[in-house]
Amino acid sequence: GAGVSQSPSNKVTEKGKDVELRCDPISGHTALYWYRQSLGQGLEFLIYFQGNSAPDKSGLPSDRFSAERTGGSVSTLTIQRTQQEDSAVYLCASRLAGYYNEQFFGPGTRLTVL
Amino acid sequence: AQSVSQHNHHVILSEAASLELGCNYSYGGTVNLFWYVQYPGQHLQLLLKYFSGDPLVKGIKGFEAEFIKSKFSFNLRKPSVQWSDTAEYFCAVTSANAGNMLTFGGGTRLMVKP
Repeated sequence: GAGVSQSPSNKVTEKGKDVELRCDPISGHTALYWYRQSLGQGLEFLIYFQGNSAPDKSGLPSDRFSAERTGGSVSTLTIQRTQQEDSAVYLCASRLAGYYNEQFFGPGTRLTVL
Repeated sequence: AQSVSQHNHHVILSEAASLELGCNYSYGGTVNLFWYVQYPGQHLQLLLKYFSGDPLVKGIKGFEAEFIKSKFSFNLRKPSVQWSDTAEYFCAVTSANAGNMLTFGGGTRLMVKP
């Protein structure tokens, strides 16, 4: 079946611009996660959505970062006023409800801030 | 807060050599443990996972890992590596009390020489 998809695969932007990154989770997966993979910081958790509950935003590095999930499916991660340190690969993962289920990752969006 | 450390950042082996990658975590409560692999140009994939039960876990492609609670360790092993195992390997944990967001180790880059 179809896996997690993300778009765009690559994004180059100028410092100070806003960007939106999209994630399409696996159909039926109620949990959705965003992570960031960067050279200096490794793989870091950003935000977590579970069903209709309020998201866990504890990993967002600043208030320039926000995310939403519409209709319990597609999610958009928005970074406002991008900075060079935002350059990273942004990964999305989804998971079926249930304690023993693992996360499935998408291919990521490589963001480069010039 | 939980943390994960992987002792080896880079490992180079010849084909048919045995592999052991170290992973230690710090967290006082119940954890779930994972090894993910990222082949060149591909997305993160699950190798194996441990939630409870037999501490020796077998995963895909001949990999296994052993959970040693007293040592807070979850080392990954494979008796005989192949060139196709060249990849980056990530150990990760989730806490039973959190939203199953993954905390990753820094990763180990494995190169297998043919």
